[in-house]
Amino acid sequence: ETGVTQTPRHLVMGMTNKKSLKCEQHLGHNAMYWYKQSAKKPLELMFVYNFKEQTENNSVPSRFSPECPNSSHLFLHLHTLQPEDSALYLCASRPRTGGNTEAFFGQGTRLTVV
Amino acid sequence: DQQVKQNSPSLSVQEGRISILNCDYTNSMFDYFLWYKKYPAEGPTFLISISSIKDKNEDGRFTVFLNKSAKHLSLHIVPSQPGDSAVYFCAASTNQAGTALIFGKGTTLSVSS
Repeated sequence: ETGVTQTPRHLVMGMTNKKSLKCEQHLGHNAMYWYKQSAKKPLELMFVYNFKEQTENNSVPSRFSPECPNSSHLFLHLHTLQPEDSALYLCASRPRTGGNTEAFFGQGTRLTVV
Repeated sequence: DQQVKQNSPSLSVQEGRISILNCDYTNSMFDYFLWYKKYPAEGPTFLISISSIKDKNEDGRFTVFLNKSAKHLSLHIVPSQPGDSAVYFCAASTNQAGTALIFGKGTTLSVSS
């Protein structure tokens, strides 16, 4: 148990669906992240939030829309995804962005787009 | 362009022997390096880290070595155990606000008994 919880754990959605991934942390951290893990690729950074403000959007297509209502919650809204978007989506938090601190990861949401 | 590279996709080691996982980086601004371990269907878990002011950090069976001039770090696991079988990710960070950990592709370690 890392203190970072992601729901749902598994999600199957059609290309025309709209769904949302949720991440919650109770560690008192101020930085939250979305990463994508595809087979044989590095963990790809998608979005960075620092004190609820988005500080980085790593050239992610607009069909992925993040939302950070407070420092404890992070969402990833999905719409009109493509089959190649199927991957493991990981949320992470850190005490702050940058610096000598580790990130704590949730267990991920395994997304399948059909 | 990948800033953190793990050029060996897999490594097989016998139980009790040493496992050495390697990582190279290109960004000279990185000053903090981490290793994560990941089992299937789980998120990565933090294993060990090292600051750029050090060249070695040890925690039990795990030791990380940093060679800044070569922009290279390695993780040594000794003795290796079957439970160490997992994917190991190298990650790096700068001290700059607003930045995130940058990860390599991972190395799959298999420890046989």
